[in-house]
Amino acid sequence: GAVVSQHPSWVICKSGTSVKIECRSLDFQATTMFWYRQFPKQSLMLMATSNEGSKATYEQGVEKDKFLINHASLTLSTLTVTSAHPEDSSFYICSAPGLHPSGYTFGSGTRLTVV
Amino acid sequence: SQQGEEDPQALSIQEGENATMNCSYKTSINNLQWYRQNSGRGLVHLILIRSNEREKHSGRLRVTLDTSKKSSSLLITASRAADTASYFCAPSDGGSEKLVFGKGTKLTVNP
Repeated sequence: GAVVSQHPSWVICKSGTSVKIECRSLDFQATTMFWYRQFPKQSLMLMATSNEGSKATYEQGVEKDKFLINHASLTLSTLTVTSAHPEDSSFYICSAPGLHPSGYTFGSGTRLTVV
Repeated sequence: SQQGEEDPQALSIQEGENATMNCSYKTSINNLQWYRQNSGRGLVHLILIRSNEREKHSGRLRVTLDTSKKSSSLLITASRAADTASYFCAPSDGGSEKLVFGKGTKLTVNP
């Protein structure tokens, strides 16, 4: 089945630094990748949609200069949290439309802690 | 895309019992998907039901869809402690559109 590999699983960084999260589709081509953020005990909030070879589309209220998304190939999409602050600490998850009828395939998530 | 609303928000049952959770949505759909999220993990696709289907089974899972009421239900039979997770529904207009999630149903199965 379709697999999305997300790395790292967890990361701790200092305030002001940048962190890159990668999502790779292992056995299929993901022309589209969705990025979500989830705070403790809350639902997933869609942040942005990345499309291979074009600019990402950000949801309302999400700072595109802070959350840089790159989708340079059909198998790799990255999210970079720039100048991270403690309030950016969250669980970030990527997802790609999988192979019908498998629905969407999600990465295993990245726990970001900014100290 | 549209957000589904799951009900109840929390459900606690004993192992072996059945668990039923519901999902309501607002506008017509092409399909509806159910996902499970274990604590601290990504979502796992459970089942997809198309708008022209009324019921679908997968192992211990049974999903129903009532397009006239714009609702769906997920039944887990003979629940196990390993079924403890949050469950989300995702109504979809089809294609590769974005999925929007509600608050989910947090299921706890007590051994």
